Amino acid sequence: QKEVEQDPGPLSVPEGAIVSLNCTYSNSAFQYFMWYRQYSRKGPELLMYTYSSGNKEDGRFTAQVDKSSKYISLFIRDSQPSDSATYLCAMCRDNYGQNFVFGPGTRLSVLP
Amino acid sequence: AAGVIQSPRHLIKEKRETATLKCYPIPRHDTVYWYQQGPGQDPQFLISFYEKMQSDKGSIPDRFSAQQFSDYHSELNMSSLELGDSALYFCASSFGQGVSPLHFGNGTRLTVT
Repeated sequence: QKEVEQDPGPLSVPEGAIVSLNCTYSNSAFQYFMWYRQYSRKGPELLMYTYSSGNKEDGRFTAQVDKSSKYISLFIRDSQPSDSATYLCAMCRDNYGQNFVFGPGTRLSVLP
Repeated sequence: AAGVIQSPRHLIKEKRETATLKCYPIPRHDTVYWYQQGPGQDPQFLISFYEKMQSDKGSIPDRFSAQQFSDYHSELNMSSLELGDSALYFCASSFGQGVSPLHFGNGTRLTVT
């Protein structure tokens, strides 16, 4: 079993829909959680970064962390075709920034 | 804002050749990470450097080596290339020894023929 599980999709939604992307993890030592967006042939782009349970909002994006359930989510409101990309969750075990572990990514398509 | 710069963007090599990939981190970032990403796969950690010293090592083959220079740029040297080394190689940088999110470059696409 991988440390971080993520539904690879593909996930297709109509423009304007609310998108929910999720990751589960098995290692309770993970403390820091990130979401990255990766367009084809580009590097992962940091979207959200959080270390506590609860919600963090940034524009149309909301990151949610539930450490008790070992479950994190990224919500995208009013989705746009430009949101079509692969979304990777990432998490970090320790305080020294090493050992970032990535989920396999979910491919999202927002249809106009 | 300045981002992580990687060069070259594309590289084609033959089996058993060598390749050198370069990474210039975001200004004032002192930590550099190298990742390998195969088609449809998540990035796999290879190696990282903090303040010019190797700080962590992942699944980097013995045929590969890397270093971070005094200006904080880093180079990944790959020798005796194999077909399986064909992948996207990403460099990421962050600031400080504490946890700081990684900022990625756009990668070098290496094709080994």
